[in-house]
Amino acid sequence: DAKTTQPPSMDCAEGRAANLPCNHSTISGNEYVYWYRQIHSQGPQYIIHGLKNNETNEMASLIITEDRKSSTLILPHATLRDTAVYYCIVRAFFSGGYNKLIFGAGTRLAVHP
Amino acid sequence: DGGITQSPKYLFRKEGQNVTLSCEQNLNHDAMYWYRQDPGQGLRLIYYSQIVNDFQKGDIAEGYSVSREKKESFPLTVTSAQKNPTAFYLCASTGRDSYNEQFFGPGTRLTVL
Repeated sequence: DAKTTQPPSMDCAEGRAANLPCNHSTISGNEYVYWYRQIHSQGPQYIIHGLKNNETNEMASLIITEDRKSSTLILPHATLRDTAVYYCIVRAFFSGGYNKLIFGAGTRLAVHP
Repeated sequence: DGGITQSPKYLFRKEGQNVTLSCEQNLNHDAMYWYRQDPGQGLRLIYYSQIVNDFQKGDIAEGYSVSREKKESFPLTVTSAQKNPTAFYLCASTGRDSYNEQFFGPGTRLTVL
C-alpha cells in the first residue's frame, strides 16, 4: 500500500473553504485515493474517493494532481460541525474483492467561529 | 434504517476476563472488519471477514478472536491474552458495489480495570 503524509493539524474559519492536503508520492496506477473523517468518539465517515479525475459530491471536492502524487480535499464552506480528524488513504480496488484500508494519524481540522 | 449496530457503547471488565463485543449489520454486506483505536491514533485492523465462515488476521490480531457464522454478525472476543485491551473498538462493513467504502458502527469503548 502506498504511504500517505498529512499535516497533523489545521485551522479554518467558519464559512471559509478548508483545503486539506495529502501526499502520496508512491501511489500506483490502480490505487484510489479515499478520504474519511472521524468526529470525536464516533466511527469514521466516508467522504469521497477518486482515481485520477477530480471528484465532487455533496460533502466535498477532491483534487488530484496530474502526476497523482498528491491530492487536496476541499470543504467549500466549513462549519463548526466539520471539526474532525480527516484521513487520506490510498488503496487498490479489485473488482469482486475486498481490501483493508490503512488509516494513518490523519489531520485534525479545527473550524472556529 | 440500514446500518451497523455495536453494543454496548461502554464496557468495563476486570483484568483477566474474556469479553465479547457485538457487531450486527443489516446492509447485506459481505465483508466485515474490526478495528482498534487508541487515543490520538489512527485505526488499526484486527480481523476481517469477506464471507461467512471465513476470516483473516489483520495487523494486530494477537489476543483477539472472531467468528462469522452469519452474514449479519461478526463478534469480536478480547481474550485475557491481549496485553492492553483498553481501547475504542470499531466495526465496519462493505458491499460489492461500494468500491471499498466502509460503513462504520458507533464503536464500543472497552475499559479493563
